[in-house]
Parts: sequence; structure tokens; C-alpha cells
Amino acid sequence: AQTVTQSQPEMSVQEAETVTLSCTYDTSESDYYLFWYKQPPSRQMILVIRQEAYKQQNATENRFSVNFQKAAKSFSLKISDSQLGDAAMYFCAYRGGNRDDKIIFGKGTRLHILP
Amino acid sequence: DAGVTQSPTHLIKTRGQHVTLRCSPISGHKSVSWYQQVLGQGPQFIFQYYEKEERGRGNFPDRFSARQFPNYSSELNVNALLLGDSALYLCASSRDTVNTEAFFGQGTRLTVV
Repeated sequence: AQTVTQSQPEMSVQEAETVTLSCTYDTSESDYYLFWYKQPPSRQMILVIRQEAYKQQNATENRFSVNFQKAAKSFSLKISDSQLGDAAMYFCAYRGGNRDDKIIFGKGTRLHILP
Repeated sequence: DAGVTQSPTHLIKTRGQHVTLRCSPISGHKSVSWYQQVLGQGPQFIFQYYEKEERGRGNFPDRFSARQFPNYSSELNVNALLLGDSALYLCASSRDTVNTEAFFGQGTRLTVV
């Protein structure tokens, strides 16, 4: 069975600084997708960034980028120029590529932005 | 276009009662999935429906059931509620079951007393 592990329950970063959230996963599948979701107090889960396992290039979305290490099964999220609006729970998530829409989430990392 | 809408937003039920949660997917989306998020945890997969058929089921007891209607909206039913069923229930819709982004609603906060 696939698992997703986030070892940092909480993190804090100074506004405008850079922070990296860690995630490891376990799977025997070769085709899969990895995601980082943000969940603010409004509760809505918002997709931050997505990585296809077959792509070697790390995904980037504006201030958000990932470090995808397929052999190590590691998928970290880097947030540059942190803003107050980045404060939220961040979930690392996995989805298999075999016509399977089920998403497996980690336990989350609560990110605090210090003004 | 409207996003994924869930109703109600909050609900309080008594142990042993039954509850029905509703989800309307984004227009054009045919796949709906349900997740349970207990406080302090990540969401856990309950069901996936595509074209009105169940495509996947998570590790939840038979007290949990769901269905999808011809307009692709969905209901999640939970019978014989337990205190441990208290959670945020999230619905996600996607256009298909493969290689498409899942969009989440704001969830229904269920409290069982």
C-alpha cells in the first residue's frame, strides 16, 4: 500500500524568507502523481503544485517549487519570499496513475508566517 | 463557473442517528470522491464515483454508503453515527478518473454528540 509521510507537524518562517517542507512517500508503482495542497482556515483544499513521476524536471509555480527525488522517494516543497497569506496547513499527497482517482494524504505540516 | 459545493456546511447529530451529506461537482465533471478529515489529520479516502458507478472504496465500515445521481451530484450517507465519525467531510470532483486535477469543496463539518 502507498503511504505518505510528513515528519514536520509545524514550521515557522519569517515573512519574505524561504522555507522547505519535507515529504517522503512509499510506492511500488512506476506511474504516479505527487501534489502539495494548502488548507487555510477556510477549510478548502487548494492545489499548490503537481509533479508527474515520469517528469525529471522539478515543477514550479511562481514562488512555489518542488525538489522531486524519485529514487529516494522524496518530494519537498520550497516556498520563496514567504507571505502572510501562505500561513496554512500543507498536505503532501499521492495519486496512482492507473485510472485511480484516490488521493493519499500525509498528516500535514502547519506553516506559521512570522511578520 | 461555480466550484464544488457541499451542503450543509455544519451539522450536529446525536449518536445512533443517520446523516446525509450532499455534493455538487463542477459543471462537466463526472467523477466525485469523498474524504473524511479528522481533526489534526490528513483527509482519508472514503469513496469514488464515476458515471454513477462506484470506482473505489476506502477502509470504512458498511455504515458508510454513497451514490451518484444522473446529474453527477452525490450523497454520502452514514448510519448509526458514532462519536468517532465527527470530522470534516470533503468532496472532490474531477473531469475524469485519470490525469485530471481534483477540485475540493469547503466541506461539511459533522459533530456527533
